[in-house]
Amino acid sequence: AQSVTQPDIHITVSEGASLELRCNYSYGATPYLFWYVQSPGQGLQLLLKYFSGDTLVQGIKGFEAEFKRSQSSFNLRKPSVHWSDAAEYFCAVGAGSGYSTLTFGKGTMLLVSP
Amino acid sequence: SQTIHQWPATLVQPVGSPLSLECTVEGTSNPNLYWYRQAAGRGLQLLFYSVGIGQISSEVPQNLSASRPQDRQFILSSKKLLLSDSGFYLCAWSATGPFNQPQHFGDGTRLSIL
Repeated sequence: AQSVTQPDIHITVSEGASLELRCNYSYGATPYLFWYVQSPGQGLQLLLKYFSGDTLVQGIKGFEAEFKRSQSSFNLRKPSVHWSDAAEYFCAVGAGSGYSTLTFGKGTMLLVSP
Repeated sequence: SQTIHQWPATLVQPVGSPLSLECTVEGTSNPNLYWYRQAAGRGLQLLFYSVGIGQISSEVPQNLSASRPQDRQFILSSKKLLLSDSGFYLCAWSATGPFNQPQHFGDGTRLSIL
């Protein structure tokens, strides 16, 4: 069975600084990887996904993520954080089956300081 | 475009009372449907998923049940709520296909049990 680890429960970044959120997965074959963002009291919004091909994936809101098979990682990055990026971020992995069940990490809360 | 609706947004129920949360999807047909529960610091727990009308898979044994009476309607129910059923419940849908498709989430229901 697949699993996802997000090592950082909280991260604080200054507005305008760069951001990297870590995600490590465990899965024997090629994973399907996703990043979601959740604002307080709301549902999850898909930021980006990786299925195959180019290992650097561009998403919405200026986010990108890089798939590194050798490190079993799929870290999320943004060059310059805005205060509106403060939210909780979830990494998820899928096993690629037609049932489309995903395993989510426990999330990383991003705080943005002025 | 596709949309997903969940209601109610918040619900306060006494212990032992019944529960019915509803989720509907518009703009697509034969979606995969999911119910998740989210507890603080624990990420998302998949409760049920459905690949078609009347087809429900349960991921964890619990006090809850799910039904899919129509193609784009997914209902989460309980006959008698427990205190431990409190949480944030999220419905999601994904397109069908041979491989994992992104899941798209509703805005959630905050359930408080008194």
